[in-house]
Amino acid sequence: AQSVTQLGSHVSVSEGALVLLRCNYSSSVPPYLFWYVQYPNQGLQLLLKYTTGATLVKGINGFEAEFKKSETSFHLTKPSAHMSDAAEYFCAVSEKNQGGKLIFGQGTELSVKP
Amino acid sequence: GAGVSQSPRYKVAKRGQDVALRCDPISGHVSLFWYQQALGQGPEFLTYFQNEAQLDKSGLPSDRFFAERPEGSVSTLKIQRTQQEDSAVYLCASSLLLGWGGHTDTQYFGPGTRLTVL
Repeated sequence: AQSVTQLGSHVSVSEGALVLLRCNYSSSVPPYLFWYVQYPNQGLQLLLKYTTGATLVKGINGFEAEFKKSETSFHLTKPSAHMSDAAEYFCAVSEKNQGGKLIFGQGTELSVKP
Repeated sequence: GAGVSQSPRYKVAKRGQDVALRCDPISGHVSLFWYQQALGQGPEFLTYFQNEAQLDKSGLPSDRFFAERPEGSVSTLKIQRTQQEDSAVYLCASSLLLGWGGHTDTQYFGPGTRLTVL
């Protein structure tokens, strides 16, 4: 069965520093890949997604992610962290013929220090 | 509002009680999903509707869980004889079903219902 692994349940960076959140998936067939962000007491919001085409995907709030098939990875980055980026981040995959259901990683909580 | 709404936002139940959780998807969205998010974990798929048809219920943890979407819009997730292990946030999401079987669609999530079973 497909699985998603997010390395590091908690990441802490200083304001202005690079943000790197790691995500690896298990399928031998590249799935479709998503990053969602969850702020406290709010629903998940899509940051970006990879379906086909260019492997470097740009999303909202300055985030981007690169699909690397050889590494089965889809890491999320942002060049300069803002205090407002503090939240929980989830990587997810969906597969063909599965109706679009998402399989999520366990999440990474991002803290941003002033 | 234009987003997905869920009610109630918080529900406390005594063990053994039945509960019903409601989801109002974005108007016109064909697909509707329910997920369960335990504390400190990522959401886990429960069930999926395309209009009123429940096409996948493989994630429902037991026969105490039942979901319906009778008119293809509002959906209700019902849990009978609640147990402490049912305590979680229940998330509803909807999407347009643009093509490709829906697996590239953006899902829009509601704020969730936090269920606590005592």
